[in-house]
Formats: sequence, structure tokens, C-alpha cells
Amino acid sequence: TQLLEQSPQFLSIQEGENLTVYCNSSSVFSSLQWYRQEPGEGPVLLVTVVTGGEVKKLKRLTFQFGDARKDSSLHITAAQPGDTGLYLCAGANNAGGTSYGKLTFGQGTILTVHP
Amino acid sequence: EAGVAQSPRYKIIEKRQSVAFWCNPISGHATLYWYQQILGQGPKLLIQFQNNGVVDDSQLPKDRFSAERLKGVDSTLKIQPAKLEDSAVYLCASSLFEVFNTEAFFGQGTRLTVV
Repeated sequence: TQLLEQSPQFLSIQEGENLTVYCNSSSVFSSLQWYRQEPGEGPVLLVTVVTGGEVKKLKRLTFQFGDARKDSSLHITAAQPGDTGLYLCAGANNAGGTSYGKLTFGQGTILTVHP
Repeated sequence: EAGVAQSPRYKIIEKRQSVAFWCNPISGHATLYWYQQILGQGPKLLIQFQNNGVVDDSQLPKDRFSAERLKGVDSTLKIQPAKLEDSAVYLCASSLFEVFNTEAFFGQGTRLTVV
């Protein structure tokens, strides 16, 4: 079973602060996805990283895929109250010898940004 | 483009009763997932369909949970009999076939409370 561990589990910060969320695994993934989920809604994809060492930026969010494709990080600069939510990483792999993909989620990081 | 539709949004039942959830994926998406999400945690995969065939149900409690996907489109997830620990949000998601590092589109989920 492939496991993804996210840290921290909870993060409570003031508006304007920076933060980093980590996603680690002992397994190699073909790609790593980051989702954001608001209360009462399903997760929504933020970004997919595919290449080891890849860095992607989405406005104030910076995503990085580890060189070995086992870990990833999400960095938010100058956090805003609208960034509040549950952040989930998900590793994708081709499930052993088949042609379909398998998506495994981490346990999530609950971010609260106070005005 | 219509998103993933789920119903009902909320359900409250007594333990030992049965319940069913319905999902209509995005048109053309061959892969359909059912996830269980405990409040504040990441989604846990229950079952994954490729068209109307099951490709992964390793974490589905088969003594009480069942799922089917009729004609490779709509899907239902059933719990019979329900236990208190089944209280969770049940998320349905769909994605394109064979492009396994693509985005999973989620429905809003069904919040189940077992009392």
C-alpha cells in the first residue's frame, strides 16, 4: 500500500504570513497532484507535477516535486483568508501492470488564515 | 460542461439500516471512483471502476458495502447494514481513461450520519 504523509496536519496563521505544506512518501509516483477542498464541497485540483525537480507557480502558490518523485511541497506566500481550506496531496501511479491509474490521497492539511 | 452529480447531499439513518448513494460522472469519463472521507481527513478510496468493470475494491468492506456501475455510466454505492463508524462524506469522482496522471473531478459528496 502506497502511503502519503502530509505535514503539518493543522496550520493556523495570520494574514500576510508565508507557509509550507509537505507531502512525503517512501514510494515513487508518476505524478503528484495538489487539491484544495472547501467545506461542503469536493476537492478541486490546483496543480499536477510530473517531472522530478519540477517547480510550478500559481499566483502566490509554489509547488515543487522532489527529484526522486517521492515528495512534494506547497508554499503559499502572503496568505489570505481566502486561502483557508483543506489542502490535499495525491499521488498517481499506474496500478501494477494495468492500464489504469490509481490515485492515493494524503490525510490533508487544514489551513486557517485569520484576518 | 456539467460536473459530477451526486445525490442525496445529506442522509441521516439509524444503525443497521441500509442506504444508497447515486453518482453521475462527467460524460465520457471511463474511470469512476468512490471515496470515503472522514471529517478533516483525506479521501480514502473504496472502489474504482473502469467503464463498468471493477479494477480496485481492496479497501471496500465487502460484508456491508456494495457498488455497481450500470452500462459504464451511473454508479450506486450501498451500505447494508450501516454502522456508526460509517458516518462520513462519500465522494464520487471521475477521470479520463488511460491518462492516469490527469485530474479527478469530484462531486459535492453525500454526508452520511449514522445514529
